[in-house]
Amino acid sequence: DADVTQTPRNRITKTGKRIMLECSQTKGHDRMYWYRQDPGLGLRLIYYSFDVKDINKGEISDGYSVSRQAQAKFSLSLESAIPNQTALYFCATSDFGQGNEKLFFGSGTQLSVL
Amino acid sequence: GENVEQHPSTLSVQEGDSAVIKCTYSDSASNYFPWYKQELGKRPQLIIDIRSNVGEKKDQRIAVTLNKTAKHFSLHITETQPEDSAVYFCAAIASGGSYIPTFGRGTSLIVHP
Repeated sequence: DADVTQTPRNRITKTGKRIMLECSQTKGHDRMYWYRQDPGLGLRLIYYSFDVKDINKGEISDGYSVSRQAQAKFSLSLESAIPNQTALYFCATSDFGQGNEKLFFGSGTQLSVL
Repeated sequence: GENVEQHPSTLSVQEGDSAVIKCTYSDSASNYFPWYKQELGKRPQLIIDIRSNVGEKKDQRIAVTLNKTAKHFSLHITETQPEDSAVYFCAAIASGGSYIPTFGRGTSLIVHP
């Protein structure tokens, strides 16, 4: 089945380290998103991309960067991780081009910054 | 930008009871309102949605209502079952813009057997 795959599933890192979270999709969707989930705060948008040459900041982009390497790949980087970036991170895709705004989420990456 | 408020943050019910989760939005241009369910340890998944040209939509035990004038929409779950226990997120999307959904903060629904 076409899916959205995130790697790694879990990551523990130390303050100041650079880490990358990866997302790949086989759905053929143009739109890709990175969300962060914290208890009580819901899903907050970090970055989104509508195609390979398009990158847009979301509501909480400070401390993060992204790269859209191909239609199917969208990676999120923390240049210098800090403890308050400990959270559950979700990649998502959508196929708005077909008038369908439904989001398809990956299985998530639990990141802990010590 | 859009602001979505969701209440309550936690809802505890007995199996068989009904559950209602309410959301309000601020942008009158919003015209698509999806609801996502996230079971423990799983990814959020769309369970039902409604567009602004419809006042109510039903799918078996779940229904969503929309009041455009008051800018609020609600998720109704009848005859709740333990497998309904999850976190539910509402969202609002405006056409004519970037179509980026704004999510509410989520409601943790607990259904006691």
